[in-house]
Amino acid sequence: GENVEQHPSTLSVQEGDSAVIKCTYSDSASNYFPWYKQELGKRPQLIIDIRSNVGEKKDQRIAVTLNKTAKHFSLHITETQPEDSAVYFCAASRGGGFKTIFGAGTRLFVKA
Amino acid sequence: KAGVTQTPRYLIKTRGQQVTLSCSPISGHRSVSWYQQTPGQGLQFLFEYFSETQRNKGNFPGRFSGRQFSNSRSEMNVSTLELGDSALYLCASSLGGASQETQYFGPGTRLLVL
Repeated sequence: GENVEQHPSTLSVQEGDSAVIKCTYSDSASNYFPWYKQELGKRPQLIIDIRSNVGEKKDQRIAVTLNKTAKHFSLHITETQPEDSAVYFCAASRGGGFKTIFGAGTRLFVKA
Repeated sequence: KAGVTQTPRYLIKTRGQQVTLSCSPISGHRSVSWYQQTPGQGLQFLFEYFSETQRNKGNFPGRFSGRQFSNSRSEMNVSTLELGDSALYLCASSLGGASQETQYFGPGTRLLVL
């Protein structure tokens, strides 16, 4: 079946450094790629998303890049802060009633 | 707009019992998806309902079932509870149309099976 692979599963960075999380999807018809952040004990919340007609999107310290040919997309967090510590999930969707496929998640630790 | 709500927020049951969880989507959203999340694990897809019909299904046993009402509210039921069913159950709603859409998650119901 369709799947999304996410790496790394755990990432530890020093405050102020950058963090990169990578995802690869298998369904070539996927055209929407959201990223969710889940803090401890809270619900996953959308932090940024990208659609297939765009190669890159940025929102302050967060950016997402998409390579449709290689079928992978990445989340980049610059100038990390302790409050960025959370689990991040990538996902791929094609709409039209097909289910959204989530990656397994990346636990990010930002050390002060 | 009010966000996705789930009730109850916490639940303690014993093995063999059954449980019903409820999810109220964002107003206007017609799709509701359910996920199981165990400690340190990702989001395991249970099923999705759209316009009162199950549209997608994950790989969970038949003990897990759901339904959706005409107002888009959804319930999921777990019968003959097992210890391994202890988890956070999240629902997410979206418009459910033909184009790609964002899912918005509820706060979850934390189920503990003793």
